[in-house]
Amino acid sequence: DVKVTQSSRYLVKRTGEKVFLECVQDMDHENMFWYRQDPGLGLRLIYFSYDVKMKEKGDIPEGYSVSREKKERFSLILESASTNQTSMYLCASSLVRGSPLHFGNGTRLTVT
Amino acid sequence: GIQVEQSPPDLILQEGANSTLRCNFSDSVNNLQWFHQNPWGQLINLFYIPSGTKQNGRLSATTVATERYSLLYISSSQTTDSGVYFCAHRDDKIIFGKGTRLHILP
Repeated sequence: DVKVTQSSRYLVKRTGEKVFLECVQDMDHENMFWYRQDPGLGLRLIYFSYDVKMKEKGDIPEGYSVSREKKERFSLILESASTNQTSMYLCASSLVRGSPLHFGNGTRLTVT
Repeated sequence: GIQVEQSPPDLILQEGANSTLRCNFSDSVNNLQWFHQNPWGQLINLFYIPSGTKQNGRLSATTVATERYSLLYISSSQTTDSGVYFCAHRDDKIIFGKGTRLHILP
């Protein structure tokens, strides 16, 4: 069974801090994704990656960056956290393009 | 890009009732998934169903790609079925509907 692990379930950070959200998958999946979920706005794609060292902007990349140095790990970076980045962050992976998505448990980030 | 619309947005049912959730697409699709997000925020795969019908216990799903819709059926609802149900179309990106919030009353 595919396992997508997000490093933290809950996180509280201060405005201006640099924040790292980590995601690891154990099934050699090529594709990895970061979403944020907010009430009334659904799931919005921040960044995605189709292979190691590759990254593509999603629909709302502003204020975020990503890193994929190894195939199994996809990190989301908030360079300078702001209160409007308080949200639920969800990582997902899939074997190849078009194959089913598998999600991690999510990280609920609060920026104060 | 393809638009994904789900209906109804909210549904409240008594335990034991049956329900049908719908997902409409603005264009034909070839990759479709249904997810359940439980009250703790976990998104769980239900079905990967580009076309045809699949069943898993009390849940089943049907996608008619040529008609641009998919249906999720939940029979004999239980309180643990509560949560938000999403459908998503997979192309280069994945496009999610806004979800149907289901609340099953004991």
